[in-house]
Parts: sequence; structure tokens; C-alpha cells
Amino acid sequence: SQTIHQWPATLVQPVGSPLSLECTVEGTSNPNLYWYRQAAGRGLQLLFYSIGIDQISSEVPQNLSASRPQDRQFILSSKKLLLSDSGFYLCAWNQPYSNQPQHFGDGTRLSIL
Amino acid sequence: DAKTTQPNSMESNEEEPVHLPCNHSTISGTDYIHWYRQLPSQGPEYVIHGLTSNVNNRMASLAIAEDRKSSTLILHRATLRDAAVYYCILRSNYQLIWGAGTKLIIKP
Repeated sequence: SQTIHQWPATLVQPVGSPLSLECTVEGTSNPNLYWYRQAAGRGLQLLFYSIGIDQISSEVPQNLSASRPQDRQFILSSKKLLLSDSGFYLCAWNQPYSNQPQHFGDGTRLSIL
Repeated sequence: DAKTTQPNSMESNEEEPVHLPCNHSTISGTDYIHWYRQLPSQGPEYVIHGLTSNVNNRMASLAIAEDRKSSTLILHRATLRDAAVYYCILRSNYQLIWGAGTKLIIKP
């Protein structure tokens, strides 16, 4: 069966520090991969999605970037965090067909001080 | 992008059916209707999806209006573990357009 791993679960970082969140999927190949951010009490905002290695689309202009160095690995990064980057970050995957549901990791709670 | 409208919150009694409504009047012909639910501090969990016909699975049923401008998620017998935020979402290409969802409160 397929599983998705996302870490760390929680992270506290100072303003201006770098960020690296990692997500890996097991049990499938060539998945679509997604990074979302969720503010408290709100729905999810799509940040990046990827349909293949080195194929990444950005949905929201910001100081975040994403990379997919391997087929089942998706990394969210920032060189200098802002206070507004605080939130709940979620990684998701699905099979590469338009009607397939997405499956989410447990998320990372990021607090910027 | 087509959007959905859901009530902010609903209450239901344990072991009774729950009908969660969703309006999506601007839905296009190729948009799938997806439902997810989310517990606090967890990632969303897929519940059900459909295009035109009503759908049933082990978790819930999805009733889709004939004109596809609204849909209803049906939990046949709610338990306390069904208390969550339920999102009705339209799937267009790679994107799921998320609203704020409906917070379902289950009273014992």
C-alpha cells in the first residue's frame, strides 16, 4: 500500500532563517506531488505541484520554493523566512489522472518567531 | 475557478443521519466534486467524489443534483469520530479549490 511521510511534525524558526521541509511517498511511482499551506480556520492554499522530476509549478508568488530531486521526494524550502510564513504545511500525492483523490501527510506546524 | 459554498457549521446527534450541503453554481462540465474531511492538526482525509451520478462508499454517500449545481454528502449514521471539518471541493485539472468547509459537531 502507498504511504506518505512528512517531517518534521512541528518546527519553530526565527525570522530570516532558512527552511527545509521534506515529503516522501512510498508504494507508487510517478505520483503527482503537492505542497499546501493552511492558515488557522481556513481551507488549504495550493503552493506548488509537480507532475514529474524537475517539473514544478508555482501557484502563489512568495519567498518559498520547491524541488523534486527524486520521483517520490518533494522538498519545500525558503532562504529567509518571514512572519507570514507561519502556518500548517501539508504535502499530498495522487495518481496522475485528473479524477483521482489526493492523499495527505500529517502536516508540519511551522511557527515563526 | 469554480467555487463552492458551504454552511460554516452544523450540529447533529450521534447515530442519526447527517446531510451536509454544498452549492457550486459555477461548476463546469469537467469538474469533479470531491469531499474531504479534516480533524484538528491532521491532514485532510479523502471521503468521496463524483461527476454526475450519485456515489456510495464505505464512508458516505454523495448525492449530486441533476443540474450539478449542488451536492449533498450523506453520513448515514454519525458517530463522535465523524466530528470534523468537511470540505466540498471542485477538482479542475491538478487543482483542488478549497473553501473554509463545514464544521460538523456531533452531540452524544
